Amino acid sequence: GESVGLHLPTLSVQEGDNSIINCAYSNSASDYFIWYKQESGKGPQFIIDIRSNMDKRQGQRVTVLLNKTVKHLSLQIAATQPGDSAVYFCAENTWGGFKTIFGAGTRLFVKA
Amino acid sequence: NAGVTQTPKFQVLKTGQSMTLQCAQDMNHEYMSWYRQDPGMGLRLIHYSVGAGITDQGEVPNGYNVSRSTTEDFPLRLLSAAPSQTSVYFCASSYTETSGEYNEQFFGPGTRLTVL
Repeated sequence: GESVGLHLPTLSVQEGDNSIINCAYSNSASDYFIWYKQESGKGPQFIIDIRSNMDKRQGQRVTVLLNKTVKHLSLQIAATQPGDSAVYFCAENTWGGFKTIFGAGTRLFVKA
Repeated sequence: NAGVTQTPKFQVLKTGQSMTLQCAQDMNHEYMSWYRQDPGMGLRLIHYSVGAGITDQGEVPNGYNVSRSTTEDFPLRLLSAAPSQTSVYFCASSYTETSGEYNEQFFGPGTRLTVL
């Protein structure tokens, strides 16, 4: 089994509903904010990123919102599916830098 | 392409033993990195490399060594294992383009290490 993820915040949603996963970041100087998805027993997988000069970016079934005033990042997943069940990490990166700093993660559980 | 591969998948060590975690990528990525993942703590950067012959420390480098002799390989060495190094280790790679876009990291499947 996967021991990573114990004690993580958990979000439980019904299949077909929209999910919103939130993240607070600390570094105002970060240039990129990124979301990664980690399924049980696998390495993280890139979902979407947003530059610090943007407020919103959309991908396939996902939308990332950035509120720099309150240092808040969110990931919205439309029509959540069982395959979306995973741990989701927000991360920060500085342009030209080589250190991506990850948050602790949120576990999303999708009920069929 | 195999992407990022890691060996072994599982390893049990006794305190004081040494070992090397292997990481290889076939995407010709300049950047490679090692993370450790502990319960409830996300991923923490151990060491990274921006090309062959170049390495640098991340957030938690103590107790680990790395080298980068080729573009493809980036091994992580534990010189004297300690129980505090029990964790899941992930290797990742990416391009280092400076076009203004974020360089997505591709992660390996991980190595689960237990130090007794």
